[in-house]
Amino acid sequence: DVKVTQSSRYLVKRTGEKVFLECVQDMDHENMFWYRQDPGLGLRLIYFSYDVKMKEKGDIPEGYSVSREKKERFSLILESASTNQTSMYLCASSSTGATNYGYTFGSGTRLTVV
Amino acid sequence: QKEVEQNSGPLSVPEGAIASLNCTYSDRVSQSFFWYRQYSGKSPELIMSIYSNGDKEDGRFTAQLNKASQYVSLLIRDSQPSDSATYLCAALTNTGNQFYFGTGTSLTVIP
Repeated sequence: DVKVTQSSRYLVKRTGEKVFLECVQDMDHENMFWYRQDPGLGLRLIYFSYDVKMKEKGDIPEGYSVSREKKERFSLILESASTNQTSMYLCASSSTGATNYGYTFGSGTRLTVV
Repeated sequence: QKEVEQNSGPLSVPEGAIASLNCTYSDRVSQSFFWYRQYSGKSPELIMSIYSNGDKEDGRFTAQLNKASQYVSLLIRDSQPSDSATYLCAALTNTGNQFYFGTGTSLTVIP
């Protein structure tokens, strides 16, 4: 069964800490994405990548950075965590092609910044 | 107008009834649409996709696409309490590599 694995299900971090969220997929997908999801705001795209070492800003990149050194791994970095970054973070991957088969999501990381 | 819009609900239906979830979209999306189900505290999971005008059925689920009116619907027949979740509508962007999501409709099926 295909999988997108996020390293942590729950995280609690202190304000100002540097936070790493890891995502690994085993489907050989080209595309990987990081979203955050907040009540009433839906899914908001933070960053995405269509290839190794490639990254593009999404709708809300401020305060975040990403790294994609290998095809299967896409990391989200909170440079200096703040309380307004408390959220559910979802990683997703998809294949590239004329017919896109949709995203496969990871199980999510619920991050609390105190 | 947002690329994909949904009524946030909540929508409540009695067990056994048909639940109807709707989504409208703008000209800025391509013609590929997806429905995701998300249980509370969990990540979204793909239910159905639809690309062509008309209906597509999969078990108790039917997706409907009306390109002239720019809306997509998901019908759930014989609704069960286990169908209680938030349903997300998504449309493929014109570049074909990512999706626009609606904010989701919360469905509660009452036993």
